Parts: sequence; structure tokens; C-alpha cells
Amino acid sequence: EVQLLESGGGFVQPGGSLRLSCAASGFTFSDFSMTWVRQAAGKGLEWVSTIRSSGDSTYYTDSVKGRFTISRDNSKNTLYLQMNSLAAEDTALYYCVKGGYNRYFEYWGQGTLVTVSS
Amino acid sequence: EIVLTQSPATLSLSPGERATLSCRASQRVSSYFAWYQQKPGQAPRLLIYDASNRASGIPARFSGSGSGTDFTLTISSLEPEDFAVYYCQQRSNWPRTFGQGTKVELK
Repeated sequence: EVQLLESGGGFVQPGGSLRLSCAASGFTFSDFSMTWVRQAAGKGLEWVSTIRSSGDSTYYTDSVKGRFTISRDNSKNTLYLQMNSLAAEDTALYYCVKGGYNRYFEYWGQGTLVTVSS
Repeated sequence: EIVLTQSPATLSLSPGERATLSCRASQRVSSYFAWYQQKPGQAPRLLIYDASNRASGIPARFSGSGSGTDFTLTISSLEPEDFAVYYCQQRSNWPRTFGQGTKVELK
């Protein structure tokens, strides 16, 4: 059974940083691209970033380029999202998702909440 | 960026009725197109991929059609558990984009 367990969310002031983690199990992590998708309260889904299986290629939505960095450790079956220079508009539930490069968003974690506020 | 426009925003129906949801892309996406279902307090779930293929475990009452720029999700006979928000999504181009969602609510 595929399991994706996000952690690292929390409350941070504008301009601050957070690092999200996603522990994956139930599939061969190193074989699949991985993605972060976010959802502000009461709003729709927004793709944030995707990383290929080997980690050699990454993709970002324009609003986070230069501020967020997606990475992975295939030896630990873990996906990361380093978020810097956070702003109020980054407040959302962040989902870890299996797939995204040449596959659809096949499995989703339950999300970790990021709140940016002064 | 490919913009996906879903219609209607809200669909008010009764159990047993047929639901037809639409999504239009601002440019051609071939069949690199999916539908997701999201229930309150839950993560989204993949329903349909490549425009017309049901994902694993998805009941046969869900079907998808279309290609190019116009896509449809049909629920042939609504079950109580089908009342939810449905999103379309394309993986033809970067950035990956979602539609704004269609809420299927109980009439």
C-alpha cells in the first residue's frame, strides 16, 4: 500500500523558512517522479513543484521560483521542499504526491499545513 | 500556461441522476488529461487518466471522454458518496495546471 506522510508544516512569519518532508513507502521510491501540490483554505489545487525520479530535473510554478527548492533522498525514500522567503500567499495545505513528470498525480498524502502570518 | 476552465461551478443533483462535468483547455493537451475527486477533509483522488481510463478501484459509473481541448466527466448514476468537488488537470505542458473545480452537491 502506497503511503505518503508529510511533516514539517507550521506557523512562520513572513520572510521566514520551512522545510517540508514526505516519507514514502509501499512503492519503489527511486523509480517515480514526485510532486508538491498546495491548496489554500477553501480554494482549488495548485501545482507547486515536481522532481524526476533521479533528482536530475526539477520544475516549479513561477510564483515559487527562486524561493522554493524541491529535492529527494532516494536512499531514505524521502521528498523535501525547502521554502524560503515565505509570504502570506504561501499559506496552504501542502500535499506530497506520487507522480507528476510523465505520470499523473496517482497517490496523495494527507497534507501538512503551512501558515505564514505576522 | 494552459488554463483549464471547468463548468458548471456547481451542479445540484439528486442520487441516481446523471452528472456531466466539463473542462475546456486554452490550448490542445492531446489526451494528457485527468480528473480528480476531492471530498471534504480528504486528499484528492485520481479518477480518470489519459482522458478516458479509470484509475484502479474507480467504479464503472465514472467515465471520461474528450481530447484536444474539450473534456467531459460523466457519472452515470450518482451515489451518495459521489457528492464532492471534481478537478480536471493537464500534464501536456509545464506548468501542470488544474481547473478551478466543479462542486457536485445534493439537491
